[in-house]
Parts: sequence; structure tokens; C-alpha cells
Amino acid sequence: DAGVIQSPRHEVTEMGQEVTLRCKPISGHNSLFWYRQTMMRGLELLIYFNNNVPIDDSGMPEDRFSAKMPNASFSTLKIQPSEPRDSAVYFCASIPTQPYNEQFFGPGTRLTVL
Amino acid sequence: GDSVTQMEGPVTLSEEAFLTINCTYTATGYPSLFWYVQYPGEGLQLLLKATKADDKGSNKGFEATYRKETTSFHLEKGSVQVSDSAVYFCALSGNSGYSTLTFGKGTMLLVSP
Repeated sequence: DAGVIQSPRHEVTEMGQEVTLRCKPISGHNSLFWYRQTMMRGLELLIYFNNNVPIDDSGMPEDRFSAKMPNASFSTLKIQPSEPRDSAVYFCASIPTQPYNEQFFGPGTRLTVL
Repeated sequence: GDSVTQMEGPVTLSEEAFLTINCTYTATGYPSLFWYVQYPGEGLQLLLKATKADDKGSNKGFEATYRKETTSFHLEKGSVQVSDSAVYFCALSGNSGYSTLTFGKGTMLLVSP
């Protein structure tokens, strides 16, 4: 299996622009997690889905952030409008059928907002 | 709520030295405990895990024992290599039923030849 796939790997954009990050979980995995990593705050869970349904989005920082999972093989995290403080590495992770603890992480998207 | 505290880094060692990275946790019930490793420019990879008290997780020469009495899960390796240089994250998975992870802030390990 190719593992969790994220695109793009790097994104540089200007403040105010819309940014869309993409994730393809491992085939057969039915839970998906979005994380943000910064030096100041470490790893933060933003939102997670189970069977394509958002379960908990309490970690989403504000209304500028939104996430969707239209089907079992694709998820997006959108920031609109982007701000410099959104600069971070965003990770996607997936796990197979519950209950199962190990999360498999993608390589991350490094976002820079100028 | 659940929380994980791990020692701040960087931890700087010479090759073949003994490694300990401390990790303590706060959680209700009986969480599962994990160590993840992040190499430069990559995502996190599971290094080892333990799902119940007194379990020992081990992988690639690393070990950690789930100590419920001290709420700890310290990572150890008897002889580190330059290739072990990375950031190590301690994490727990609570009892929510959805395997969400609570991470510590990470400890950078730098091993010199």
C-alpha cells in the first residue's frame, strides 16, 4: 500500500488567499484525522472523521477553517482566507476499523502564508 | 482532560550512549500508550506501543514499559546511533472509542558520531 498521501507537500501563498490541502487515506481505513504542527503549540488535532462523518471539530481554530470527507478515499482541509499565523505543517492520519489504536500518518503539507 | 508531559529537548548524545526520554501522562481509565518518531521532513511513524499496565513495547532496540503506578512510559535505548536522530513523541489514546491521540510536545534527539 502507498500509505497516506497528502498534496501538495509544500504550499506558499499570500495572506487572504484560499488554501486547500488534500488527503487520501490508506484504502480500507475508515477513520481520518487532521493535525496541525507548529513549534509553539506542537501537534494539535483539528478534526476527525469516522465513516466520512465529522465526529469532533472542536480543534478547528476558527470559521476560516473547514474540512470535508466526501467519500472514503478523499478529504480536504480548506482555509479561507488564509493568514500568516496559519503557517504550519498539516498532517493527515488514518486508522482501520475501530477499535484500533495505531494511526498512520501522511508526510504532511508545509504551508507558508506570507 | 487527558495530557502527556515529556522532557524538553534537545537531548544531545554521542553514538553508543544510553538514551532515556521521560514521559508521564494524565488520563482517566486505562489508556493505550505510544511512542512515535518523526524524522526530518517526514510524518510521524509508530515506534512502539503498550495497551495495558506492565506491558513492554519494543522496536528497533527501543523499549518502554507502561507503569500505571507512576503514570509513566519512559523511552529507553541501550546504544543510540546517528540514524536515531529525530523527534520523539509520547502519546496516549483514551477511551473515547475513536482512537484519538493526545501528544506530548516532542523531544528532539541529536546523536553525534
